[in-house]
Amino acid sequence: QKEVEQNSGPLSVPEGAIASLNCTYSDRVSQSFFWYRQYSGKSPELIMSIYSNGDKEDGRFTAQLNKASQYVSLLIRDSQPSDSATYLCAVSSNTGNQFYFGTGTSLTVIP
Amino acid sequence: EPEVTQTPSHQVTQMGQEVILRCVPISNHLYFYWYRQILGQKVEFLVSFYNNEISEKSEIFDDQFSVERPDGSNFTLKIRSTKLEDSAMYFCASSGLGTGIGETQYFGPGTRLLVL
Repeated sequence: QKEVEQNSGPLSVPEGAIASLNCTYSDRVSQSFFWYRQYSGKSPELIMSIYSNGDKEDGRFTAQLNKASQYVSLLIRDSQPSDSATYLCAVSSNTGNQFYFGTGTSLTVIP
Repeated sequence: EPEVTQTPSHQVTQMGQEVILRCVPISNHLYFYWYRQILGQKVEFLVSFYNNEISEKSEIFDDQFSVERPDGSNFTLKIRSTKLEDSAMYFCASSGLGTGIGETQYFGPGTRLLVL
């Protein structure tokens, strides 16, 4: 069984702070990693994808991947109240035909 | 911006009834998926579909489930005889302008299914 583990939180940070979200995965052959944001009752919305070891930055978001440690993280800089949501880590299967999702980390940004 | 659409947004049915959930994937995508999310739980893969056939399916996707692409735009999930435990949010997703392997999947807004 392929596992994707996330701290469920809740994680609370003050507005303007850095939020750090972590994810580990069990399948060493996974090649594609994604962070989605999910508001309550809504569908997953893509934040970032990352395929190579290291950092990938997009605006206030930075994804970090370490395949040797089977670890992927998401940093949100200058957190805003609108960032309050559940963040889902997703890892693709070796065929790429399915994503394995973590249970999500609930983030609250306090104004 | 192109998006995946799903209908209906909500569906209430009686146990044992058949339901069909409909999806219109992003128009030039080649790979289609169904996921479900039981309330408070993780998003779970059901099935992937490419070139008019199932590519992969999970243990959840048993004989009660089927998928079809009846025309050039729609992608459907049928549950033949619904059970109480089928109550969940069902998400359609699509991907694949290239190989489709590990490419970003874009999710529709979901259909909330309630089986009574």
